[in-house]
Amino acid sequence: SAVISQKPSRDICQRGTSLTIQCQVDSQVTMMFWYRQQPGQSLTLIATANQGSEATYESGFVIDKFPISRPNLTFSTLTVSNMSPEDSSIYLCSVDRDRGRETQYFGPGTRLLVL
Amino acid sequence: SQKIEQNSEALNIQEGKTATLTCNYTNYSPAYLQWYRQDPGRGPVFLLLIRENEKEKRKERLKVTFDTTLKQSLFHITASQPADSATYLCALEYGNNRLAFGKGNQVVVIP
Repeated sequence: SAVISQKPSRDICQRGTSLTIQCQVDSQVTMMFWYRQQPGQSLTLIATANQGSEATYESGFVIDKFPISRPNLTFSTLTVSNMSPEDSSIYLCSVDRDRGRETQYFGPGTRLLVL
Repeated sequence: SQKIEQNSEALNIQEGKTATLTCNYTNYSPAYLQWYRQDPGRGPVFLLLIRENEKEKRKERLKVTFDTTLKQSLFHITASQPADSATYLCALEYGNNRLAFGKGNQVVVIP
């Protein structure tokens, strides 16, 4: 199994500021993923974080707005930059599902409210 | 365009009955399909994964079917309990373990 923790669990921020969310996994994984869930919406993949290379962003998401770091195989950060109220969401970290496993793991999420 | 559709109306069901949820998709060819439970303000909790070559998968009171011809998955909760009240999400894997989610379908189990 993989245990995923995220920090902070929640935050309230002012518009125009930035917040960095941390994701820690208790085992080494190849890929880590960042999702967001805006109020009343489905989860949407922001990017895939690979160790040793730049993150791969999905359509509609850019590095300037959501810079990602992946310094090692157990840790990643997502920064939400120059925040606006539209960035108020739950941000979730997940890890790649080993093909031998039939379980997908998500972190508990970071609830962000931007005023 | 690609779509994953789940019923937007909440399913109200009497305790003890079977709840059945539908997930339809277009313009995807997923090798895997997953179902999750989500409670308000919380992250999704993985329930079941079914592969494209599997017709049916069971886990305790849960059953999932996957019809790649109809592009549809059905999710069943048998002998439903009030504790099963939650939103259930369907998710498709599309390359390198990336997931595309439906909006979810709320289930309310009435005692």
